[in-house]
Amino acid sequence: DIVMTQSPDSLAVSLGERATINCKSSQSVLYSSTNRNNLAWYQQKPGLPPKLLIYWASTRESGVPDRFSGSGSGTDFSLTISSLQAEDVAVYYCQQYFTAQTFGQGTKVEIK
Amino acid sequence: QVQLVQSGAEVKKPGASVRVSCKASGYTFTTYLIHWVRQAPGQSLEWMGWVSAGNGDTLYSQNFQGRVTFTRDTSASTAYMEMSSLRSEDTAVYFCAREPGDHYPFDYWGQGTLVTVSS
Repeated sequence: DIVMTQSPDSLAVSLGERATINCKSSQSVLYSSTNRNNLAWYQQKPGLPPKLLIYWASTRESGVPDRFSGSGSGTDFSLTISSLQAEDVAVYYCQQYFTAQTFGQGTKVEIK
Repeated sequence: QVQLVQSGAEVKKPGASVRVSCKASGYTFTTYLIHWVRQAPGQSLEWMGWVSAGNGDTLYSQNFQGRVTFTRDTSASTAYMEMSSLRSEDTAVYFCAREPGDHYPFDYWGQGTLVTVSS
C-alpha cells in the first residue's frame, strides 16, 4: 500500500496569513499515461464529510476559492491557503488514487 | 443536483452485522463507482473498497476482505455496505462517495452513518 504522510499534524496561523501543508507519498503517484499526479486534497469540518478541494495535485475543484492552491509532483506535494479565513478552520487530508486509495493522517488548521 | 443520502445511525452488539445504504440522485447511477470509506472517532479516513453501480463488480481493501460485502440495486439507485462479525474497533462513521471516472478522486460524499458497536 502507498503510505501518505502529512506534516505538520497541526498548524495555527493568523487570519490573512499563509498556511502550507505538506504531503509525502511512499512511492510516486505520477500516472505516466496522463502525466498527471493522482493526488487530491480534501477539507473536513466537524460533523461533515470531506470536501474535495484539489485534484491531480494542482487542479482546483469547481467553486473552491482561489486562495487554495496545490503543487508538487512524484512523491512530494503541498496545499497552500494564501490568506487564511475563519471559515478555513478544518482538518485537511491528502489522498492518493494511483493505486487503490489511501489518505494522509490529516492536518488540523486553526487560527492563531 | 448530485446527492448521496445514507441511512441512519446504528447501534450493534459485537458479533452482529450491519447494513448501510447510500441512495444516489441527480445523476445516472449506473455510470459511476461508489466507494466506501470509514472514519473512526478522531481518526483519519480509511478506504474500504468500491462497487460498480453499473455491473456490480467489487473491489475490497485487504483490511476488510471477507468481512464486508458491497451490493447495489439499480432500480433504487442505491448502494449497500454490509459488514459482519462486528467488533468494538468497527465503531466509526461510514461514508459512501462517488468516483466520477478512472483516475479521479471522490467528488461527492454521503453525509455519513455512525455505526456504534457496543455490548
